[in-house]
Amino acid sequence: AQSVTQPDIHITVSEGASLELRCNYSYGATPYLFWYVQSPGQGLQLLLKYFSGDTLVQGIKGFEAEFKRSQSSFNLRKPSVHWSDAAEYFCAVGNSGGGADGLTFGKGTHLIIQP
Amino acid sequence: KAGVTQTPRYLIKTRGQQVTLSCSPISGHRSVSWYQQTPGQGLQFLFEYFSETQRNKGNFPGRFSGRQFSNSRSEMNVSTLELGDSALYLCASSLSGLAVTDTQYFGPGTRLTVL
Repeated sequence: AQSVTQPDIHITVSEGASLELRCNYSYGATPYLFWYVQSPGQGLQLLLKYFSGDTLVQGIKGFEAEFKRSQSSFNLRKPSVHWSDAAEYFCAVGNSGGGADGLTFGKGTHLIIQP
Repeated sequence: KAGVTQTPRYLIKTRGQQVTLSCSPISGHRSVSWYQQTPGQGLQFLFEYFSETQRNKGNFPGRFSGRQFSNSRSEMNVSTLELGDSALYLCASSLSGLAVTDTQYFGPGTRLTVL
């Protein structure tokens, strides 16, 4: 069965500093990988997704993620965080792009931004 | 274009009751998925509907059911509510749920509290 691990439950970063959120997946075939962000009281917003091709994926809000098959990882990065980036971040894996067979999510990483 | 809407946003029920949650997908989207989000289990896939048919189902008891109407609107029903059903229920829609170009768009969720 597929699974996603986000090792860091909480991460605190100073505003303007760089950010890396870790994600490891377990999946038998070529995975479809996603990063979502959830602000308090809101639904999930897709930041970026990977299907194939270039392993460095650019997303919205200045985020990027790199797919490393050898490490089964799909880490999310941002060069300089803003206070508005404080939120819960979820990594997910699926069988299809639109997630018709359901996405498997990690437990999430809570990002705290220090002024 | 309006986003995914879910009603009601908040709901309080007592054990043993049943509840119906509603989701209106983005116009033109035919795939609707439901997820349960709890602090302990995280985000878990419930089921997915496409063209009024359940196409995939997660690992939840039969008390959880759903349906989709011809206009793609979807409802989910939970019967004989248990305390553990207290959660944020998220609905997501996508065009077909299968294409690699599809993106799942999430609604704000319905917060269900079971007393």
